Amino acid sequence: DARVTQTPRHKVTEMGQEVTMRCQPILGHNTVFWYRQTMMQGLELLAYFRNRAPLDDSGMPKDRFSAEMPDATLATLKIQPSEPRDSAVYFCASGLVGSPPDTQYFGPGTRLTVL
Amino acid sequence: AQSVTQLGSHVSVSEGALVLLRCNYSSSVPPYLFWYVQYPNQGLQLLLKYTSAATLVKGINGFEAEFKKSETSFHLTKPSAHMSDAAEYFCAVINAGGTSYGKLTFGQGTILTVHP
Repeated sequence: DARVTQTPRHKVTEMGQEVTMRCQPILGHNTVFWYRQTMMQGLELLAYFRNRAPLDDSGMPKDRFSAEMPDATLATLKIQPSEPRDSAVYFCASGLVGSPPDTQYFGPGTRLTVL
Repeated sequence: AQSVTQLGSHVSVSEGALVLLRCNYSSSVPPYLFWYVQYPNQGLQLLLKYTSAATLVKGINGFEAEFKKSETSFHLTKPSAHMSDAAEYFCAVINAGGTSYGKLTFGQGTILTVHP
């Protein structure tokens, strides 16, 4: 049963520290998405990649967030420096985007708390 | 641009009652529509999807949704609610054209509460 995996599941850190979240997409999927979920804003798309190339990161605060996909089995989302307002659940999703575009499968999320 | 609107941020039903969660879409092209469910402290799980085949789509856990083009709706139903159905439900439309191909646009979510 193929699944998207995310690490860590929980992260508590202090303001100003660097945070790195990792995602392993489902093998064979060509598109990876990063979402953030908060009570106030709901689900927001931060960035996404197709065939490891960044397609859209307009949802990310550019000064502190960065997303990369160093290889087909790993996507990373980094926050440096972190701030309390970054506290949220961060989801990774992967999909096989062909014609028609197919389902996105979500990981369990990383719950980030910045003190 | 494509969008979905979920009517009602909270829905409460009794166990055994009909569940109806409403979703309306806006799209200039034939839409591909999804319903996801999120249980507490978990990720989103696909319930069902519409990809222009049958207009009545059956999903997991006894849920189904009907695509109605004339009403631009894709409402989610279940004949008899179970306590385990308590969760948040998201309707979404996927972008099938242009530079945002493959992007999902989510509704605001509907929290379903099931009373004994």
